[in-house]
Amino acid sequence: NAGVTQTPKFQVLKTGQSMTLQCAQDMNHNSMYWYRQDPGMGLRLIYYSASEGTTDKGEVPNGYNVSRLNKREFSLRLESAAPSQTSVYFCASSTSGTNNEQFFGPGTRLTVL
Amino acid sequence: AQSVAQPEDQVNVAEGNPLTVKCTYSVSGNPYLFWYVQYPNRGLQFLLKYITGDNLVKGSYGFEAEFNKSQTSFHLKKPSALVSDSALYFCAVRDGGTGRRALTFGSGTRLQVQP
Repeated sequence: NAGVTQTPKFQVLKTGQSMTLQCAQDMNHNSMYWYRQDPGMGLRLIYYSASEGTTDKGEVPNGYNVSRLNKREFSLRLESAAPSQTSVYFCASSTSGTNNEQFFGPGTRLTVL
Repeated sequence: AQSVAQPEDQVNVAEGNPLTVKCTYSVSGNPYLFWYVQYPNRGLQFLLKYITGDNLVKGSYGFEAEFNKSQTSFHLKKPSALVSDSALYFCAVRDGGTGRRALTFGSGTRLQVQP
């Protein structure tokens, strides 16, 4: 089992460019999440998908879109990148149920110049 | 609203000594509480959780945490620290009364264990 995988590991963008961060899990989890991690702020939820075909906004959704392509894959898109989106992005997944722990991918370090 | 506070940015402890990493929370319903650890350039790894039952929860790598409802705390503990425990630790909470799936994370505490 690879667990949760994310691509790319690193990315540098110029302001205004677009890109998609990919996430896949092989644990047959229903729920998937996108977080961003900034120094001194912990992790903040961008979007989540409780099950295939559904997505919901989290704490900081502005400037992002998501697609739950199938049960395995959950992508995060930046349509017009801004320097404020420089961060480390983590994808996570979990089984259904609100008391279940989340499993995290290794992260994507994004720099927007 | 749900929130988590980790009052210490960094905790320093000598190897072999006990360690405590503090966490307090605020929810309107029943708290579901989690501890995660992050090693450099890695994703978060689950350590332990409290959902219901015994207030003392045991988890991975010899860590345990004590749920205290009256003090709204969920401190992480280990009887004897190892240098390899040095990492960033996150407490997280979910309000079990709302059915809301999102976790709210604290800002993290860096644990430094000196040889």
